[in-house]
Amino acid sequence: SQTIHQWPATLVQPVGSPLSLECTVEGTSNPNLYWYRQAAGRGLQLLFYSIGIDQISSEVPQNLSASRPQDRQFILSSKKLLLSDSGFYLCAWAGVNYGYTFGSGTRLTVV
Amino acid sequence: AQSVTQPDIHITVSEGASLELRCNYSYGATPYLFWYVQSPGQGLQLLLKYFSGDTLVQGIKGFEAEFKRSQSSFNLRKPSVHWSDAAEYFCAVVSLTGGGNKLTFGTGTQLKVEL
Repeated sequence: SQTIHQWPATLVQPVGSPLSLECTVEGTSNPNLYWYRQAAGRGLQLLFYSIGIDQISSEVPQNLSASRPQDRQFILSSKKLLLSDSGFYLCAWAGVNYGYTFGSGTRLTVV
Repeated sequence: AQSVTQPDIHITVSEGASLELRCNYSYGATPYLFWYVQSPGQGLQLLLKYFSGDTLVQGIKGFEAEFKRSQSSFNLRKPSVHWSDAAEYFCAVVSLTGGGNKLTFGTGTQLKVEL
């Protein structure tokens, strides 16, 4: 069966520090992969999506970037974090019939 | 562009009472619609989805939703709410793009269940 792993679960980082969140999918090949951010009271905002290795689309201009170095690995990064980058980050993959499966999320607090 | 509106930010119901969470969509073609539930600090779990066919869709945990094209709605219902249903609920629509599909969410409805 397909599973999605996301880590770390929680992260507290100082302003100006770098960021790397990782997401991996097992049990499927060539999935569509997504990064969402959930800020308090603002629902889920799509940040990036990828339909294949090194194919990344950005939805919102911001301080973040994404990479997909392997078929089932999706990384969210930042060179210098801002306070506004705080939030709950969710990775997801989409299989056939548009079935989206989400990871358990990373709570990022920038201090 | 596709969008989803959840007009109720917070809803409180008594345990055992019926529940209806509202969702309205804006999409030019036939929408692919979803309802997800999120417990505090957790990821999202799919409750049900609608692609086509029967407009009344059954999901997990006793939830159902009805697609009404004339009202552009996809409301979530449950006949009898349990305390464990307290969570945040998200309606979402898939838009099909040339390079892939994207899931767009509403802002969510926070459900509180009174014992």
